[in-house]
Amino acid sequence: AQSVSQHNHHVILSEAASLELGCNYSYGGTVNLFWYVQYPGQHLQLLLKYFSGDPLVKGIKGFEAEFIKSKFSFNLRKPSVQWSDTAEYFCAVNPIRGGYQKVTFGTGTKLQVIP
Amino acid sequence: DAGITQSPRYKITETGRQVTLMCHQTWSHSYMFWYRQDLGHGLRLIYYSAAADITDKGEVPDGYVVSRSKTENFPLTLESATRSQTSVYFCASVGTYNEQFFGPGTRLTVL
Repeated sequence: AQSVSQHNHHVILSEAASLELGCNYSYGGTVNLFWYVQYPGQHLQLLLKYFSGDPLVKGIKGFEAEFIKSKFSFNLRKPSVQWSDTAEYFCAVNPIRGGYQKVTFGTGTKLQVIP
Repeated sequence: DAGITQSPRYKITETGRQVTLMCHQTWSHSYMFWYRQDLGHGLRLIYYSAAADITDKGEVPDGYVVSRSKTENFPLTLESATRSQTSVYFCASVGTYNEQFFGPGTRLTVL
Protein backbone atom coordinates (compact mmCIF):
# COMPACT_ATOMS: atom_id res chain seq x y z
CA ALA A 1 0.00 0.00 0.00
CA GLN A 2 1.18 3.49 -0.74
CA SER A 3 2.04 5.98 1.97
CA VAL A 4 2.47 9.73 2.08
CA SER A 5 4.87 11.57 4.36
CA GLN A 6 4.65 15.21 5.29
CA HIS A 7 7.68 15.83 7.44
CA ASN A 8 6.74 19.29 8.69
CA HIS A 9 3.85 19.06 11.10
CA HIS A 10 3.77 22.70 12.09
CA VAL A 11 5.35 25.63 10.29
CA ILE A 12 5.37 29.22 11.49
CA LEU A 13 6.31 31.99 9.07
CA SER A 14 6.14 35.74 8.96
CA GLU A 15 4.18 37.44 6.22
CA ALA A 16 6.14 37.76 2.95
CA ALA A 17 8.36 34.80 3.80
CA SER A 18 8.72 32.02 1.27
CA LEU A 19 7.08 28.68 1.88
CA GLU A 20 8.03 25.16 0.99
CA LEU A 21 6.16 22.17 2.40
CA GLY A 22 7.57 18.74 1.81
CA CYS A 23 5.63 15.72 0.55
CA ASN A 24 7.06 12.32 -0.24
CA TYR A 25 5.18 9.23 -1.28
CA SER A 26 5.98 5.57 -1.62
CA TYR A 27 4.60 4.10 -4.80
CA GLY A 28 6.67 3.12 -7.78
CA GLY A 29 4.07 3.43 -10.49
CA THR A 30 2.18 6.26 -12.12
CA VAL A 31 0.41 8.59 -9.73
CA ASN A 32 -1.90 11.54 -9.57
CA LEU A 33 -0.80 14.01 -6.92
CA PHE A 34 -2.79 16.61 -5.05
CA TRP A 35 -2.46 19.33 -2.47
CA TYR A 36 -5.53 20.25 -0.45
CA VAL A 37 -5.94 23.16 1.93
CA GLN A 38 -8.17 23.32 4.99
CA TYR A 39 -8.79 26.78 6.41
CA PRO A 40 -9.72 26.94 10.10
CA GLY A 41 -13.16 25.47 10.67
CA GLN A 42 -13.67 24.58 7.03
CA HIS A 43 -13.52 21.53 4.82
CA LEU A 44 -10.68 20.50 2.54
CA GLN A 45 -10.44 22.25 -0.79
CA LEU A 46 -8.30 21.37 -3.79
CA LEU A 47 -5.28 23.65 -4.12
CA LEU A 48 -3.61 22.06 -7.12
CA LYS A 49 -3.15 18.73 -8.87
CA TYR A 50 -0.66 16.93 -11.06
CA PHE A 51 -1.67 14.31 -13.61
CA SER A 52 0.95 14.38 -16.34
CA GLY A 53 3.08 16.71 -18.42
CA ASP A 54 4.87 19.70 -16.95
CA PRO A 55 6.08 18.68 -13.48
CA LEU A 56 5.68 22.25 -12.24
CA VAL A 57 2.03 22.75 -11.44
CA LYS A 58 0.43 26.06 -10.63
CA GLY A 59 -2.61 26.26 -8.43
CA ILE A 60 -4.83 28.85 -6.87
CA LYS A 61 -3.71 31.77 -4.71
CA GLY A 62 -0.13 31.77 -6.02
CA PHE A 63 0.74 28.25 -4.91
CA GLU A 64 2.75 25.89 -7.03
CA ALA A 65 4.16 22.39 -6.64
CA GLU A 66 6.92 20.48 -8.35
CA PHE A 67 6.75 16.78 -9.05
CA ILE A 68 10.19 15.16 -8.93
CA LYS A 69 9.66 11.56 -9.93
CA SER A 70 13.16 10.41 -9.04
CA LYS A 71 12.68 11.67 -5.49
CA PHE A 72 9.02 10.60 -5.15
CA SER A 73 8.32 14.14 -4.05
CA PHE A 74 5.65 16.74 -4.65
CA ASN A 75 6.63 19.79 -2.62
CA LEU A 76 4.35 22.78 -2.29
CA ARG A 77 5.76 26.29 -2.64
CA LYS A 78 4.69 29.89 -2.43
CA PRO A 79 7.14 32.78 -2.86
CA SER A 80 5.46 35.12 -0.39
CA VAL A 81 2.88 33.97 2.14
CA GLN A 82 0.05 36.05 3.52
CA TRP A 83 -1.74 35.91 6.83
CA SER A 84 -4.73 34.46 4.98
CA ASP A 85 -2.65 31.41 4.06
CA THR A 86 -2.88 30.23 7.65
CA ALA A 87 -4.38 26.77 7.24
CA GLU A 88 -3.59 23.09 7.24
CA TYR A 89 -2.18 21.62 4.04
CA PHE A 90 -2.58 18.01 2.99
CA CYS A 91 -0.69 16.17 0.30
CA ALA A 92 -2.48 13.24 -1.35
CA VAL A 93 -1.50 10.47 -3.74
CA ASN A 94 -3.73 8.48 -6.06
CA PRO A 95 -1.97 5.53 -7.74
CA ILE A 96 -2.96 4.80 -11.31
CA ARG A 97 -3.15 1.07 -11.98
CA GLY A 98 -6.44 0.50 -13.73
CA GLY A 99 -9.69 1.90 -12.45
CA TYR A 100 -9.99 4.28 -9.58
CA GLN A 101 -7.73 3.68 -6.62
CA LYS A 102 -8.17 5.11 -3.17
CA VAL A 103 -6.36 8.30 -2.36
CA THR A 104 -3.90 8.29 0.50
CA PHE A 105 -3.55 11.53 2.45
CA GLY A 106 -0.58 12.73 4.42
CA THR A 107 -1.11 13.71 8.05
CA GLY A 108 -1.07 17.39 7.18
CA THR A 109 1.10 20.42 7.87
CA LYS A 110 -0.29 23.28 9.87
CA LEU A 111 0.91 26.63 8.59
CA GLN A 112 0.70 29.65 10.81
CA VAL A 113 1.50 33.00 9.21
CA ILE A 114 2.30 35.81 11.61
CA PRO A 115 1.37 39.32 10.46
CA ASP B 1 -27.21 24.46 -5.41
CA ALA B 2 -24.93 21.82 -6.82
CA GLY B 3 -22.37 20.34 -4.52
CA ILE B 4 -21.96 18.03 -1.59
CA THR B 5 -23.81 18.57 1.65
CA GLN B 6 -23.69 16.91 5.05
CA SER B 7 -26.17 16.87 7.88
CA PRO B 8 -26.22 17.49 10.71
CA ARG B 9 -23.29 19.86 10.95
CA TYR B 10 -23.01 19.33 14.70
CA LYS B 11 -24.22 16.42 16.79
CA ILE B 12 -23.91 15.55 20.44
CA THR B 13 -24.95 12.08 21.47
CA GLU B 14 -24.44 9.61 24.28
CA THR B 15 -22.47 6.41 24.40
CA GLY B 16 -24.45 3.48 23.04
CA ARG B 17 -26.83 5.46 20.88
CA GLN B 18 -27.19 4.97 17.16
CA VAL B 19 -26.29 7.97 15.04
CA THR B 20 -26.62 8.48 11.29
CA LEU B 21 -24.67 11.10 9.40
CA MET B 22 -26.05 12.07 6.03
CA CYS B 23 -24.18 12.92 2.85
CA HIS B 24 -25.75 14.10 -0.38
CA GLN B 25 -24.10 15.06 -3.67
CA THR B 26 -25.68 16.54 -6.77
CA TRP B 27 -22.99 15.72 -9.33
CA SER B 28 -23.86 12.04 -9.84
CA HIS B 29 -20.27 11.14 -9.03
CA SER B 30 -19.75 7.40 -8.83
CA TYR B 31 -17.22 7.27 -5.99
CA MET B 32 -18.01 8.54 -2.53
CA PHE B 33 -16.01 8.38 0.69
CA TRP B 34 -16.34 8.84 4.41
CA TYR B 35 -13.34 10.08 6.38
CA ARG B 36 -12.78 10.97 9.99
CA GLN B 37 -10.34 13.67 10.94
CA ASP B 38 -8.59 13.55 14.27
CA LEU B 39 -5.68 15.54 15.64
CA GLY B 40 -2.43 13.81 14.83
CA HIS B 41 -4.01 11.32 12.45
CA GLY B 42 -4.97 13.45 9.50
CA LEU B 43 -7.74 11.99 7.38
CA ARG B 44 -8.56 8.34 7.77
CA LEU B 45 -10.84 6.51 5.38
CA ILE B 46 -13.78 4.75 7.03
CA TYR B 47 -15.75 3.42 4.07
CA TYR B 48 -16.07 4.14 0.41
CA SER B 49 -18.48 3.34 -2.38
CA ALA B 50 -17.80 2.86 -6.08
CA ALA B 51 -21.47 3.07 -7.08
CA ALA B 52 -24.94 2.46 -5.76
CA ASP B 53 -25.06 -0.80 -3.79
CA ILE B 54 -21.27 -1.18 -3.91
CA THR B 55 -19.42 -0.35 -0.72
CA ASP B 56 -16.12 -1.36 0.80
CA LYS B 57 -14.14 -0.91 3.99
CA GLY B 58 -11.45 1.63 4.39
CA GLU B 59 -8.75 1.99 7.01
CA VAL B 60 -10.94 2.30 10.13
CA PRO B 61 -14.36 0.68 9.49
CA ASP B 62 -15.04 -0.89 12.90
CA GLY B 63 -18.19 0.43 14.54
CA TYR B 64 -19.54 2.00 11.36
CA VAL B 65 -22.05 0.91 8.75
CA VAL B 66 -22.77 2.47 5.36
CA SER B 67 -25.33 2.03 2.66
CA ARG B 68 -25.81 3.47 -0.79
CA SER B 69 -29.18 2.74 -2.28
CA LYS B 70 -29.02 5.84 -4.49
CA THR B 71 -26.01 7.36 -6.23
CA GLU B 72 -26.50 10.74 -4.60
CA ASN B 73 -26.75 9.60 -0.97
CA PHE B 74 -24.17 7.91 1.20
CA PRO B 75 -25.22 7.77 4.87
CA LEU B 76 -22.83 6.69 7.62
CA THR B 77 -24.26 5.02 10.73
CA LEU B 78 -22.59 4.56 14.08
CA GLU B 79 -24.48 1.55 15.40
CA SER B 80 -23.54 2.07 19.05
CA ALA B 81 -21.55 5.25 19.50
CA THR B 82 -18.41 5.22 21.62
CA ARG B 83 -16.33 8.12 22.96
CA SER B 84 -13.52 7.17 20.59
CA GLN B 85 -15.82 8.05 17.72
CA THR B 86 -15.85 11.68 18.73
CA SER B 87 -14.40 13.29 15.63
CA VAL B 88 -15.05 15.44 12.60
CA TYR B 89 -16.51 13.42 9.75
CA PHE B 90 -16.10 14.40 6.13
CA CYS B 91 -17.89 13.00 3.14
CA ALA B 92 -16.30 13.33 -0.29
CA SER B 93 -16.98 12.42 -3.89
CA VAL B 94 -14.57 12.03 -6.79
CA GLY B 95 -14.66 14.19 -9.88
CA THR B 96 -13.60 13.62 -13.45
CA TYR B 97 -9.87 13.98 -12.79
CA ASN B 98 -9.82 11.95 -9.58
CA GLU B 99 -9.89 15.06 -7.43
CA GLN B 100 -11.97 14.79 -4.29
CA PHE B 101 -14.70 17.24 -3.38
CA PHE B 102 -15.39 17.44 0.31
CA GLY B 103 -18.53 18.25 2.20
CA PRO B 104 -18.53 20.81 5.03
CA GLY B 105 -18.11 18.14 7.71
CA THR B 106 -20.05 16.95 10.75
CA ARG B 107 -18.59 17.54 14.18
CA LEU B 108 -19.71 14.63 16.36
CA THR B 109 -19.29 14.52 20.12
CA VAL B 110 -20.03 11.32 22.00
CA LEU B 111 -20.47 11.83 25.73
